[in-house]
Amino acid sequence: DAKTTQPPSMDCAEGRAANLPCNHSTISGNEYVYWYRQIHSQGPQYIIHGLKNNETNEMASLIITEDRKSSTLILPHATLRDTAVYYCIVRGNYGGSQGNLIFGKGTKLSVKP
Amino acid sequence: NAGVTQTPKFQVLKTGQSMTLQCAQDMNHNSMYWYRQDPGMGLRLIYYSASEGTTDKGEVPNGYNVSRLNKREFSLRLESAAPSQTSVYFCASYSGVSYNEQFFGPGTRLTVL
Repeated sequence: DAKTTQPPSMDCAEGRAANLPCNHSTISGNEYVYWYRQIHSQGPQYIIHGLKNNETNEMASLIITEDRKSSTLILPHATLRDTAVYYCIVRGNYGGSQGNLIFGKGTKLSVKP
Repeated sequence: NAGVTQTPKFQVLKTGQSMTLQCAQDMNHNSMYWYRQDPGMGLRLIYYSASEGTTDKGEVPNGYNVSRLNKREFSLRLESAAPSQTSVYFCASYSGVSYNEQFFGPGTRLTVL
């Protein structure tokens, strides 16, 4: 089973920040938090990942709580093209089975005009 | 670079027929994966290959076989297709190095009648 819990759906107004929460209370010390998204029926696309510090890249920001039991993905200025299913995944940082991704059902984000 | 490519994009089979889904990556990645995605669900791991010459079962391996032909190519075979195998199949690759993400192909949409 997936190690994360996400709301099934969220709405966001175009141009506003989208804040997607994720609970991962059983995360272990060597596991990272990864976010992927899947637009329509395309293959999933990597967004960002982090261990314990907040991270930012050109797509999004990732805020991880101090106890690492939850995190929030932030899309600072959502556009209609950000409408997708967003997956929060915890995994080890090695190859082999430790690098496997376990997908839950994710959060369906709908960005509305 | 093409990234991860999959063939075919679409396929319709009759129950009992066999077929092979092809996947290739040009990123010199060590690890490759096959997932299936049923409607409204997250991706589920069928088989993976942590490195050339090795393959391992994932969450849902029954009814499938795989071959890691070389470092670039990882094929998925359905020996006797069943309607329950109607799904979208995604191939992915990963360098096997810490912190790197998995890259996904565009998917193969398979219908078994």
